[in-house]
Amino acid sequence: QSVLTQPPSVSAAPGQKVTISCSGGSSNIGNNYVSWYQQLPGTAPKLLIYETNKRPSGIPDRFSGSKSGTSATLGITGLQTGDEADYYCGAWDTSLSAGVFGGGTKLTVL
Amino acid sequence: QVQLAQSGAEVKKPGASVKVSCKASGYTFTSYGISWVRQAPGQGLEWMGWISTYDGDTKYAQKFQGRVTMTTDTPTSTAYMELSSLRSDDTAVYYCARNVLEWISYSYNCYMDVWGKGTTVTVSS
Repeated sequence: QSVLTQPPSVSAAPGQKVTISCSGGSSNIGNNYVSWYQQLPGTAPKLLIYETNKRPSGIPDRFSGSKSGTSATLGITGLQTGDEADYYCGAWDTSLSAGVFGGGTKLTVL
Repeated sequence: QVQLAQSGAEVKKPGASVKVSCKASGYTFTSYGISWVRQAPGQGLEWMGWISTYDGDTKYAQKFQGRVTMTTDTPTSTAYMELSSLRSDDTAVYYCARNVLEWISYSYNCYMDVWGKGTTVTVSS
């Protein structure tokens, strides 16, 4: 059971927009920054979003992050088949004094 | 370029220990912490712990307390993760990641911006 809760799967057509939610609590998302990772099949995770809404160099602006209260959202616009991957949210949990991840969301681009 | 090179795959028997290495290059080793994250087959990411490469301070997930030891060797820019008393459910890919962990604007900022390729650890009798 993950500390952060994500939907197991989402899907959308190429060119469309999709959002992936990540729900937590006051000890993690509610009071700390959120990060998001993309994991393509058979590869290591890759940082997509840090400090809740910032993109590392090289990440296209099709990817965006936001937060409201104890929930965070990853948005992906202009979906491409190459975006098919597992997506994970992460944060620091102050009560646990530990990093925590969501269970992951599998994105299918139909 | 910034890279984390991990040691090769391991096969261990139940009850044994495994030590995985992670050699950093392309940046100042002591400027960033290192986290270890594992992924069991078909499962999600699981944070195991973090080590400060500056002063050796560690934070371990409660689940692994007493079984995991994270260390660093600054002259070689290498981090190590040792897991003892291995069980079959420790079979997983183990990743090291460069980890920013900082307190800014009254909040913790934690993210992993560079990842190793992973080390497969198989525990089987």
